[in-house]
Parts: sequence; C-alpha cells; structure tokens
Amino acid sequence: ETGVTQSPTHLIKTRGQQVTLRCSSQSGHNTVSWYQQALGQGPQFIFQYYREEENGRGNFPPRFSGLQFPNYSSELNVNALELDDSALYLCASSGPGHGETQYFGPGTRLLVL
Amino acid sequence: GQQLNQSPQSMFIQEGEDVSMNCTSSSIFNTWLWYKQDPGEGPVLLIALYKAGELTSNGRLTAQFGITRKDSFLNISASIPSDVGIYFCAGQEGMLTFGGGTRLMVKP
Repeated sequence: ETGVTQSPTHLIKTRGQQVTLRCSSQSGHNTVSWYQQALGQGPQFIFQYYREEENGRGNFPPRFSGLQFPNYSSELNVNALELDDSALYLCASSGPGHGETQYFGPGTRLLVL
Repeated sequence: GQQLNQSPQSMFIQEGEDVSMNCTSSSIFNTWLWYKQDPGEGPVLLIALYKAGELTSNGRLTAQFGITRKDSFLNISASIPSDVGIYFCAGQEGMLTFGGGTRLMVKP
C-alpha cells in the first residue's frame, strides 16, 4: 500500500454536471499528479501540483482544473462533464524533491451518463 | 496524447515460463519505470531505472534502461498465477508518459 488515498471510489454523473475528486498524498510528499485512464489504455497526464502551484499540464481542456492545499492534499475538478470523461482518475504523490518517483492511489472510477 | 510503444499487447503463458516485454520511445527519458496494475486498482511501482544501461532486479523481475535512453525491457522469470495483471512502462520527465500496457495471463 502506497499511503495515497482517493475519494470517492466510484461516482456516477450525467452530462453537463460538475465533479470534484480528492486525493491525500503520502506522508512527506509535496507533489501530486493527476492522470486519466480510459478503459484498456495507459494513464494520460492531466496536471501536476508542486507546493500548491500548478507545475505542468497535459493536453486537457480548461474545464479540468485543480487545487493543492497546504497539507499537500489535492482536488481535481471537472466542469461540464462529457461522456468521454468516463474513466479511472488516478492521483500520484511524490517528493520531497522535485521529479521523484510517483506512487499511485487506487483511483476514482467516474461514469458519465 | 503521446504514448510509449509497448509490446506485446497481451501474453498468455504457462505457469513457470519466463516473460519478456519491452517499451520504446521516440523521446529520451531520464527515468524509466515499470508498474503493475490489477483490476480496479492503481498502478504499483515494480522497478525504477535512473541510469542509461542500468540493469536492476527485484526478486523474479529484471529490467534494463536502454543505452540510448529511448527503450527499456522487463523480464519476469518463472511466472506464477499472481503475476497476472497489466504491466505498464513509463518514462519520466516531471510527468509520466505511459505505454499502452501488456496484459499478462498465466495458466496454472
């Protein structure tokens, strides 16, 4: 077990709704990265937060946004949900140095109907 | 989005056999990682490689970081039923770029 936790474990939403997913990083880690994993594919990088600042972003639209809190936990927010947003959302924590190995949480499975 | 080329896509082997899978990229990475993912769970780190040419073992697993820094392979020796799962390679430059995965099935 990595010590990275995510909530909720599963979620069902309808198109157009908004969703917030949460991640608690492993003790001693100050970096959180978020990934989207569609069924049958490898995870795709959404963005990374380092010491509460966004530190890199993948090819995702602005309706995907995030936050990192002073305790280094993080949220991923997705507005105006689309059917294609259905996926497993993974967060990974790393640190305390920059660019260190990332350890994943169990993920949140989002289904958009 | 960019992905690494991972092969094979799937393997169905007999228990006790050795397994080999590899990953190639058009880009250079300074770190290569191998993860295993079981159904409904997040990827679990198996091996991390930090230096070109490095060969690292973790029990029955052995991985190598290619000299060009554009490829890596993972070998599993004497497979057992609990090796079943999806194996992902990933190159790290800040963010992780993943391969498409190798689904391993082991017949007892």
